[in-house]
This record gives sequence, structure tokens and C-alpha cells, in this order.
Amino acid sequence: DARVTQTPRHKVTEMGQEVTMRCQPILGHNTVFWYRQTMMQGLELLAYFRNRAPLDDSGMPKDRFSAEMPDATLATLKIQPSEPRDSAVYFCASGLEPQETQYFGPGTRLLVL
Amino acid sequence: GNSVTQMEGPVTLSEEAFLTINCTYTATGYPSLFWYVQYPGEGLQLLLKATKADDKGSNKGFEATYRKETTSFHLEKGSVQVSDSAVYFCALSPNTGNQFYFGTGTSLTVIP
Repeated sequence: DARVTQTPRHKVTEMGQEVTMRCQPILGHNTVFWYRQTMMQGLELLAYFRNRAPLDDSGMPKDRFSAEMPDATLATLKIQPSEPRDSAVYFCASGLEPQETQYFGPGTRLLVL
Repeated sequence: GNSVTQMEGPVTLSEEAFLTINCTYTATGYPSLFWYVQYPGEGLQLLLKATKADDKGSNKGFEATYRKETTSFHLEKGSVQVSDSAVYFCALSPNTGNQFYFGTGTSLTVIP
């Protein structure tokens, strides 16, 4: 049963520190999405990739967030420097083609103090 | 543009009650429509989907019919269980591009 994996599952850090979240998409999937979920804003799309190329990162604060896919098996989301308002659950999802189902990972729960 | 509007929650029902969660959409072309479910502490999981008008998606007793004339994809279940307590998200994927558009989610609590 193929699944999207995310690490770490939980992260507590102090304001100003760098945070790196990792995602392993399902093997063979060619689209990868990063979402942020908070009680106030709900589910927000931060960035997405197709065939490892970034297609849209307009939902991401550019000054502190960056997303990359160094290879087909790894996607990363970095926050530098982190701020308390970044506290949220960050989800990665992968899919096979446009309009196909997105498969979500379990999320990284981030708390910035 | 593309967007999804779903009914506000939270929704609280007694076990075995009938469930409807409304979802309407705005889209260009012919999108695919989805319902996702999120159980506490977990990621979103696909519940059901429909890819063209008049298609009915179904899974675990839940159903939703793609209604192009009313631009709706309402989620229904005839008899809810406590284990159905979760947050339900309606979503669409347009026929061009890669992005999904999610609704704001509807929290459902089923009490014994």
C-alpha cells in the first residue's frame, strides 16, 4: 500500500530557526503539492511541482519559504527564519496526472515558539 | 475562475441520522469533483470522486452526484456512525492545469 511519507511528524522550534520538512511522494507520481492547514485559514496551497519543476508557488511567502525537489523521491519545504505565525500543520500530497486524485501524507505539525 | 463553496459547520448529528453536506462549485470547462475526509490528527484521504456530469461517486455508504446543471456535488449518507466524525472537504480539479481547489471543510460530529 503506497503512501506519501513526511518527516518529521512533529517539530517544535524557536523563532528565527531554520525548519526543513521533507516529503517522499508515492513512487511514479509526477505532481507534488505542499499545503498548510490552520484553524483560521483552513487549507492553503503553498506550492506545487510537476515532473520536479515548480509550477506555482504564489501561495508561499517568498521571503522566508522555499520549496524544492532535488530528485523525484524527495520534496523539501524550508522556512528560514521561522516565525510564530508559521505554526501550522504542513501537508505534502502527490498525484499521477492532472485531475487525478491527490494522496496526502500524514503532515508535519510545526510549532514555532 | 475556479472555486468551491461548501456549507458551514460544525454539523452535529445523532447516530443513524441522514447526512447532507452541500457543495457547489464554479469552474471553467469540465472539472473532476472530489470529496476528501480528514480524521483527527491525520492527513486528507480521498472519500469519493466523479469525473463527468451525472456520475455518482460512492464509498463507505457515502454518495455524491455530479450535477452540472446546478453546479453541485452534495455529499450524502443515509445513516451516519460515530466513526464518521471527521472534517469533510469538497474539491475540484479543472480540466487544465494541475491545481486542486478545496472548500473550507465541514466538521461533522456524530453522537451516540
